[in-house]
Amino acid sequence: KQEVTQIPAALSVPEGENLVLNCSFTDSAIYNLQWFRQDPGKGLTSLLLIQSSQREQTSGRLNASLDKSSGRSTLYIAASQPGDSATYLCAVRPFKARNNNDMRFGAGTRLTVKP
Amino acid sequence: ETGVTQSPTHLIKTRGQQVTLRCSSQSGHNTVSWYQQALGQGPQFIFQYYREEENGRGNFPPRFSGLQFPNYSSELNVNALELDDSALYLCASSLHGRDEQFFGPGTRLTVL
Repeated sequence: KQEVTQIPAALSVPEGENLVLNCSFTDSAIYNLQWFRQDPGKGLTSLLLIQSSQREQTSGRLNASLDKSSGRSTLYIAASQPGDSATYLCAVRPFKARNNNDMRFGAGTRLTVKP
Repeated sequence: ETGVTQSPTHLIKTRGQQVTLRCSSQSGHNTVSWYQQALGQGPQFIFQYYREEENGRGNFPPRFSGLQFPNYSSELNVNALELDDSALYLCASSLHGRDEQFFGPGTRLTVL
């Protein structure tokens, strides 16, 4: 059974700092991995999607890496801003679920960026 | 282009009652997925609908059921509500065969 763990559960940093969020998963037979942002009480916004054959994806100040063999992904946020404050969720789609949306989510990292 | 919308925003029910949640998919999207997110947890996949049929289901009992309509909108029905059903219910739409999903704002269900 695929299990997804995110560390740390919460993180507080001063504005401008670079930071790394971690995600680990137990089964390397994945189809893709996705990072989402969730603001309090709201839905999810997709940030980056990495296919199993890829090593990383970049969008603006965000960079996500994937090491499938070790079951790890990181989300790097450069020059953090107060507007980045949110919960960041990692989701893995198992290879056997490649034809549907049965993604397995971590519990998230709650990020606070202080002005 | 209209995004994914869900109704109602909030709902309070008592144990044993039944509830129906609604979702309108993003324009052009033909696949709808439903997720349950308990407080402090990540979302859990309930099921997915494509061409008005369920084509994927997570580890949820049969009292969780759904429908998809010809206009691709969807309903989630939960019978015999339990206290543990209290959660944020998220709907996501996508194009069949495409990986990217777009999520709605969710319905917050409280079961007393």
